[in-house]
Amino acid sequence: DVKVTQSSRYLVKRTGEKVFLECVQDMDHENMFWYRQDPGLGLRLIYFSYDVKMKEKGDIPEGYSVSREKKERFSLILESASTNQTSMYLCASGEREGLDTQYFGPGTRLTVL
Amino acid sequence: GNSVTQMEGPVTLSEEAFLTINCTYTATGYPSLFWYVQYPGEGLQLLLKATKADDKGSNKGFEATYRKETTSFHLEKGSVQVSDSAVYFCARAVGGSYIPTFGRGTSLIVHP
Repeated sequence: DVKVTQSSRYLVKRTGEKVFLECVQDMDHENMFWYRQDPGLGLRLIYFSYDVKMKEKGDIPEGYSVSREKKERFSLILESASTNQTSMYLCASGEREGLDTQYFGPGTRLTVL
Repeated sequence: GNSVTQMEGPVTLSEEAFLTINCTYTATGYPSLFWYVQYPGEGLQLLLKATKADDKGSNKGFEATYRKETTSFHLEKGSVQVSDSAVYFCARAVGGSYIPTFGRGTSLIVHP
């Protein structure tokens, strides 16, 4: 059974902290994605990666960075967390060509105080 | 541009009612079309998909038909259950792009 796991289901951080969200997939997928989900706004793409050490900005990259040192792991980094980054963060992976299904992790609900 | 438009929710139904959630997309290239479902507290999971015109995707009693002439992929179910309460996302993916486009999601609430 395919699996995408995220390091935390719930996370509470303080303004200014550095935050790491980890995502691991066991399907040998080339593509990995980070989205944030907010009420009324749907899913918005933050960053994606199509190969190890490769990354591309999505629609809302400001305030975030990513790291992909190994094929199975894609990390989202909030360099200095702010309250407007309180959100649900979803990781996903998929096959190279993008036409196939995306597989999502369970999400991390981040609250920044 | 590339976009997916879904009907706004929430959609509120009684158990055993008929469900339709509308989805239209912009017709760039020959996209594959998807419906994803997100149950409370979980991530999205694929519900069904269709890869070419006139294909019908189906799963768990849900169906959607890829209509190229109307650029639509409406989700239907003949008799909803309380357990179908969730948020439903329509999505499209075009060859050559790594990035699918998602609609904003439609919340479905089914009452006993």
